[in-house]
Amino acid sequence: GNSVTQMEGPVTLSEEAFLTINCTYTATGYPSLFWYVQYPGEGLQLLLKATKADDKGSNKGFEATYRKETTSFHLEKGSVQVSDSAVYFCALRMPQGGSEKLVFGKGMKLTVNP
Amino acid sequence: DTGVSQDPRHKITKRGQNVTFRCDPISEHNRLYWYRQTLGQGPEFLTYFQNEAQLEKSRLLSDRFSAERPKGSFSTLEIQRTEQGDSAMYLCASRLAGGTETQYFGPGTRLLVL
Repeated sequence: GNSVTQMEGPVTLSEEAFLTINCTYTATGYPSLFWYVQYPGEGLQLLLKATKADDKGSNKGFEATYRKETTSFHLEKGSVQVSDSAVYFCALRMPQGGSEKLVFGKGMKLTVNP
Repeated sequence: DTGVSQDPRHKITKRGQNVTFRCDPISEHNRLYWYRQTLGQGPEFLTYFQNEAQLEKSRLLSDRFSAERPKGSFSTLEIQRTEQGDSAMYLCASRLAGGTETQYFGPGTRLLVL
């Protein structure tokens, strides 16, 4: 079946450090790819998305590029802030066939220290 | 836009009891989703509605679980004869069909079965 694999956490970084969170997927077809973020005490929020190969999603200084050849959608940010401390989830959806379900990875907890 | 709301936010119950959760989607969103998230895992899809019709159900949704959306607005998720393994966060999301693919999540209902 379709699945998402994320790098395990938790991860602790210092402010202004570079961040990469790896995400790879397995899918029969061409998924849409998403990064969701969950800040402490809040619900899941969409961070960015990409719907086809080579698309780059970006938001709040975060970027991820849909790489079909490596089946990856790694999340990057050049300089993290304390306010980026959260749990990050990679997810996919298979629009072909009309399925609506999002398939999530396990999530990675990021803590950024000042 | 007041966001997706869920009630209650927390529920503690004894094994064998029935519980019911409510979700109010963003106004005019015709698609509504239920997910379950256990500790240390990403959300897992349970079911979704388009208006009042339940169009997709996961195998995770055992016969003790039932979801309804009678008037195509709010939805309820009932768990009968709760088991300790049902302890989880139950998330609701909504979106407008034909609009962005983004599913907007509520804050969740945390269930603890003793």
